Amino acid sequence: GENVEQHPSTLSVQEGDSAVIKCTYSDSASNYFPWYKQELGKRPQLIIDIRSNVGEKKDQRIAVTLNKTAKHFSLHITETQPEDSAVYFCAASMDYQLIWGAGTKLIIKP
Amino acid sequence: DAGITQSPRHKVTETGTPVTLRCHQTENHRYMYWYRQDPGHGLRLIHYSYGVKDTDKGEVSDGYSVSRSKTEDFLLTLESATSSQTSVYFCAISEGGRNQPQHFGDGTRLSIL
Repeated sequence: GENVEQHPSTLSVQEGDSAVIKCTYSDSASNYFPWYKQELGKRPQLIIDIRSNVGEKKDQRIAVTLNKTAKHFSLHITETQPEDSAVYFCAASMDYQLIWGAGTKLIIKP
Repeated sequence: DAGITQSPRHKVTETGTPVTLRCHQTENHRYMYWYRQDPGHGLRLIHYSYGVKDTDKGEVSDGYSVSRSKTEDFLLTLESATSSQTSVYFCAISEGGRNQPQHFGDGTRLSIL
């Protein structure tokens, strides 16, 4: 079936450094790719998304890049802060569903 | 934030009992989804709905049923709960379904003893 692979499963970075999380997808028909942040005990929240007609999208310290040919997309967080500590999920569209990655636990070291 | 209310927020019950979780939205969105979240498995789709009385199965639908008699309410039922169904259950809604973001409720923590 369709799947989304997400790496790494855990990422530890120094406060102020950048963090990059990568996802690959298998369905070439996917054309919508959201990223969600989930803090401990909370609901997943949409932080940024990108559609296939765009190669890159930025929102302050967060950016997402998409390579449709290679079928992968990445989340970039610059100048990381303690409040960025969370689990991040990528997803790719398939019909009326989203196929989810397994998540990346981002740890910001002081 | 999207107007999504899940009830109950926490529930503890015994194996073999029926359980119904409710998701209520005030956004008039067409699409509604039920997920379960377990450590190491991320978010897994149980069932979804694309309109009143229109539902379809997700990847982990065995042991679960759903109903949607009104646009605003999507019910998830465990007919005879098992310990393997202990999980956190999230409801999500989407305005357009295809290529649209999903917005999540606060979740229901269900423990089956």
